[in-house]
Amino acid sequence: SQQGEEDPQALSIQEGENATMNCSYKTSINNLQWYRQNSGRGLVHLILIRSNEREKHSGRLRVTLDTSKKSSSLLITASRAADTASYFCATDDYGGATNKLIFGTGTLLAVQP
Amino acid sequence: ETGVTQSPTHLIKTRGQQVTLRCSSQSGHNTVSWYQQALGQGPQFIFQYYREEENGRGNFPPRFSGLQFPNYSSELNVNALELDDSALYLCASSSAHERPQETQYFGPGTRLLVL
Repeated sequence: SQQGEEDPQALSIQEGENATMNCSYKTSINNLQWYRQNSGRGLVHLILIRSNEREKHSGRLRVTLDTSKKSSSLLITASRAADTASYFCATDDYGGATNKLIFGTGTLLAVQP
Repeated sequence: ETGVTQSPTHLIKTRGQQVTLRCSSQSGHNTVSWYQQALGQGPQFIFQYYREEENGRGNFPPRFSGLQFPNYSSELNVNALELDDSALYLCASSSAHERPQETQYFGPGTRLLVL
């Protein structure tokens, strides 16, 4: 089963605009990661935020984490057509023996040139 | 490019058949995980292999089985294929020494269609 949901399910913006995606999860976590998937192919790791962090930046990406609300957001600034992809949040196997990832349902982002 | 490769890229099978998917992990990585991604959904964890042994399994029936070889490459086998097995199958590698590495590196996937 999925860990949680992402919101919105789909997002269409113009190049240069900012895109914000939200992720909610259900259980305790050690960390939360965001991945990008182009055209139903492999996933690319974007950023990892630990449960004791509230905000993290990487280039045009900004991730926030609110463990009290069990939610995270991914902000992509100054979007480009190449950012068009599906974005997934993934949490870790808290308390488990593996490093398996538990994914959300994803947000499909379309950036119009 | 992550250095994780999967073969084949696409596969068409009929119900009841068996399929084997292959994955070569990134150099230096000793842990391989397999995920199933149905259309419009996020990936779901099938199982993980570490040092040639299964190291955790998701909610998948026993007809989903796997292997990891001494060079850390891996196979996913699915017996008695069902229509609902149609999906993108993703392999991910990571390294584990004292603790599992959190970030996983994904291959491009194998798209399986069961008719």
